[in-house]
Amino acid sequence: SYVLTQPPSASVAPGETATITCGGTDIGSKSVHWYQQKPGQAPVLVLFYDKDRPSGIPERFSGSNSGNTATLTISRVEAGDEADFYCHVWDRTTDHAVFGGGTRLTVL
Amino acid sequence: EVQLVQSGAELKKPGESLKISCQTSGYSFSNYWIGWVRQKPGKGLEWMGIMYPLDSDTRYSPSFEGQVSISADESISTTYLQWSSLQASDSAIYYCARRNWDMKDAFDVWGQGTVVTVSS
Repeated sequence: SYVLTQPPSASVAPGETATITCGGTDIGSKSVHWYQQKPGQAPVLVLFYDKDRPSGIPERFSGSNSGNTATLTISRVEAGDEADFYCHVWDRTTDHAVFGGGTRLTVL
Repeated sequence: EVQLVQSGAELKKPGESLKISCQTSGYSFSNYWIGWVRQKPGKGLEWMGIMYPLDSDTRYSPSFEGQVSISADESISTTYLQWSSLQASDSAIYYCARRNWDMKDAFDVWGQGTVVTVSS
């Protein structure tokens, strides 16, 4: 089965840029989606189709996807961005969803 | 506005059965896949399965196949997740989420989650 690998943690100072990666074999050929989950809350979609933002998501959130790595970038990080972030793809051979293990972003 | 509203927290004993619900509104229920996701305390998201209400086509993660059952009632735009015999290891938060084909199959709207606690 397809596996997505994320670093368990990342930290960034306010105002700086956070980068969270999601690794998978030939992930560049898939559509990657990203979710933000704050403590005690349900996940929220922040990027779909590698880099598209749903309505209401700030432009500070951006993404890229190529080769074996997809990346979520958060510019001008704010304290309120602190959360767990998950990447997600569909395994098209089985039509099964796959989530990465999640990355906890800490704002210093 | 698209909304997914889940049923309330449950406290059950091992061996008991359970059915939790996810009531949807604001869109054509029959034409979007609905998925279920488990999150154990302090852990990540685990995909359980999805159902297409229009024809009841259902896909399960191998980890959950045979352990749970997903169903839907189109007349009330509601999907269900069911266990016939709970175990303590089923204690978790369960989320339903809409799979949006217009957003390359992202889960664009999520329910608030249902906390299930299984304890003797």
